[in-house]
Amino acid sequence: KAGVTQTPRYLIKTRGQQVTLSCSPISGHRSVSWYQQTPGQGLQFLFEYFSETQRNKGNFPGRFSGRQFSNSRSEMNVSTLELGDSALYLCASSSGDSKNIQYFGAGTRLSVL
Amino acid sequence: AQTVTQSQPEMSVQEAETVTLSCTYDTSESDYYLFWYKQPPSRQMILVIRQEAYKQQNATENRFSVNFQKAAKSFSLKISDSQLGDAAMYFCAYRGRMDSSYKLIFGSGTRLLVRP
Repeated sequence: KAGVTQTPRYLIKTRGQQVTLSCSPISGHRSVSWYQQTPGQGLQFLFEYFSETQRNKGNFPGRFSGRQFSNSRSEMNVSTLELGDSALYLCASSSGDSKNIQYFGAGTRLSVL
Repeated sequence: AQTVTQSQPEMSVQEAETVTLSCTYDTSESDYYLFWYKQPPSRQMILVIRQEAYKQQNATENRFSVNFQKAAKSFSLKISDSQLGDAAMYFCAYRGRMDSSYKLIFGSGTRLLVRP
């Protein structure tokens, strides 16, 4: 089985632009979660989607949004980029079984100049 | 709110030796899951080991084992026979069993260095 795939791996944007990141979960997984990782704040939960519905949301401004498609692929969007949005964005998928394990992708490194 | 604390920013171990990484957490829930994830320079988070709070027995996975002390809210990771490939950031994570989502709460991480 293929793992969690995130594209692109690297992205450079300027302040004020918007960006869309993509995540393809492991086949059969219906839950996709997004995390932001920075040296200062560590790993912070952004949101989780399950069967196209947002099930939980972290404490981030409304500039951060996401969606999930019927094939479970997910996208997250950040509008009006700020320098502080520079981070590694990680996506994780889960099958929803009793083991409750989340499998992570390799992340998208976003640099905002 | 639940919190996870890793008090060791960096640890060092000689190859083939044993090292223990510490993790404490705070929660008012009685049932939950605890995880240790490894993040090598490739950035991909890899699950090392998982513990269910209602299980008294400490989880083990080959050279990795945990010391789960529920009353003390402590969840340490022991790596035996350390290998160069064990060098990475290690994150402790928590998830409430009754959570309707799969949100993980992470600690700040411990960087493990392995000396040859």
